[in-house]
Amino acid sequence: ETGVTQTPRHLVMGMTNKKSLKCEQHLGHNAMYWYKQSAKKPLELMFVYNFKEQTENNSVPSRFSPECPNSSHLFLHLHTLQPEDSALYLCASSPAAGIPFFGQGTRLTVV
Amino acid sequence: AQTVTQSQPEMSVQEAETVTLSCTYDTSESDYYLFWYKQPPSRQMILVIRQEAYKQQNATENRFSVNFQKAAKSFSLKISDSQLGDAAMYFCAYRAHFGNEKLTFGTGTRLTIIP
Repeated sequence: ETGVTQTPRHLVMGMTNKKSLKCEQHLGHNAMYWYKQSAKKPLELMFVYNFKEQTENNSVPSRFSPECPNSSHLFLHLHTLQPEDSALYLCASSPAAGIPFFGQGTRLTVV
Repeated sequence: AQTVTQSQPEMSVQEAETVTLSCTYDTSESDYYLFWYKQPPSRQMILVIRQEAYKQQNATENRFSVNFQKAAKSFSLKISDSQLGDAAMYFCAYRAHFGNEKLTFGTGTRLTIIP
């Protein structure tokens, strides 16, 4: 049990599909993050939410749309993705300015 | 901008031996945190150890210890008495101390344990 749960674990989607990734944390943390992990590249921070407010958008294309309805849940809505968006998407949470705890990721394949 | 460099894409070590993974970083800050994360096949990133830059003493966590050289901007991880469960990708990461939650990661080192 990680404390940060991501669903689904695997997702295959076509370029015209719309799908969503879900992240849930039960650690009482105030900050939540989306990271993208591609092969042979450093993890890339995509979005940061603090107390449900987006505090960082790291120049992410608009085909990725985050949503944070409360401090325990974070979504990443996906639409019209490209094959190069195939990657492992990791969610993390932390206390304010604290150490991030990660989920197990969603392996996304865009076909 | 901060950068983190891990120059060893792959390392291997015999079980029960000691291995050191290298990490260098670049920053103009004087106060920051450094981390080593482990990512096993389960894909979850697990915090192994952390170091606060203002502390001169090297952090240790059981079989894991670091060699923090602030002037050289070097932060290596030593794993003693390597075990099969240590096989994973290891990532070095940097975070500024104040007002910034962003972690900057290196590209990782894949560690193989030889039985």
